[in-house]
Formats: sequence, C-alpha cells, structure tokens
Amino acid sequence: GEDVEQSLFLSVREGDSSVINCTYTDSSSTYLYWYKQEPGAGLQLLTYIFSNMDMKQDQRLTVLLNKKDKHLSLRIADTQTGDSAIYFCAERLNSGNTPLVFGKGTRLSVIA
Amino acid sequence: NAGVTQTPKFQVLKTGQSMTLQCAQDMNHNSMYWYRQDPGMGLRLIYYSASEGTTDKGEVPNGYNVSRLNKREFSLRLESAAPSQTSVYFCASSVGQGRAEAFFGQGTRLTVV
Repeated sequence: GEDVEQSLFLSVREGDSSVINCTYTDSSSTYLYWYKQEPGAGLQLLTYIFSNMDMKQDQRLTVLLNKKDKHLSLRIADTQTGDSAIYFCAERLNSGNTPLVFGKGTRLSVIA
Repeated sequence: NAGVTQTPKFQVLKTGQSMTLQCAQDMNHNSMYWYRQDPGMGLRLIYYSASEGTTDKGEVPNGYNVSRLNKREFSLRLESAAPSQTSVYFCASSVGQGRAEAFFGQGTRLTVV
C-alpha cells in the first residue's frame, strides 16, 4: 500500500536553507509534488517532479528525488519569514486520474 | 478564473444534523476529490470522482455521501453529523491525466457540537 512519511516540524533561521524530507513506499509513483499551505488557506502547488528525474530547480526551490531509497526532498534557499507554512509531500500512483496521497505535512517555522 | 470554490467557509452543526458541502470548479477538470484535514493527520481522502458519472470511496468514507452533479460540481453530504466529523474539508480538482496536479479550494471549517 501507499504511504508518505514526513517529519512534522522544522525550524530555521531567516536566510538559512531549509530542507524538508519525505519518504514514500510505492515505487509505481509517476509524479511527486510539494504543496504549501499557509494559515487558514487551501493547499497551493509549489513544484513537482516526474519519476524519471533526479533533480528539479525552480528559483529558490530545489527538489531531489532518490528513487532507489524512495526519498524526496525540498530545499528552500535563503528562507524568508513568508516561507513559514505547512509543506506537504504527495505522490500520484499510476494514471493521472488516481487521487494524490499526501504526507502529514511539515510545519516550517522561520525565525527572524 | 475562480478555480475551485467551496461553500460554506464555516459551519457549526449540532450532532445528528445533516448538511451538504458544495464544490464547483471552472477549469473543465475531469477529476474531483474531497479530503478532510485534521491536526497531525494530514489530508485524508474521503471520496473522489475520477470522471463525470463515477464516484469512488477513499480512505475515510464512513458517514459521508457524495454526488457528482455534473462536470463542474461535486458535493459532500453528511447525513447525521457526529463530533468526529469536526474537521476542515477541502475540495480539489485535476485534469485527470498526465501531470494532473490537484487544485484546491479554500476549505470549509466544520464544527459539530
């Protein structure tokens, strides 16, 4: 069965890099996603990576995928107070119309 | 574009009352989903509709029913609300093929007393 694991909390100082980790169990995942949830709001897609890629960079965000270890990470460079939020890792299995499976979310706190 | 719109945003129910949460998307998406979010539990799938005319159970369907009214709308009904259904409910939609990321509504905060 599918399961997505994340650590629940991360605290970093403003200007440092943040690394949020995620492990998943299903090797048939096609896409993996990172979502951000700000207080009182819905989830917004931050970035995604296709399962045949190792790395994807998008401005301050770097996603690394290790398929052998089923490990996904999100690195936020030069973390700002506006980055404080909950970050969810999600995987999609097989076809595009199957639901996303989410981790429990990592609450990132940025200390000024 | 409004994206995914949920109504209401807040609701308080008494135990045993019924209500329907409404969701509509204007992106011509094929697939729609209902999740609930509870502290420390992440998002758990209640029901989904892979395409118009189909619905399937997710991880936590007990106590809920859904209707895919048309391609745009997907409603979630609580027939007899229980305190355990106090949660934040999110509707989402996706194109249903390819990369198919999910787009989320702003959520409905439901309290059952």
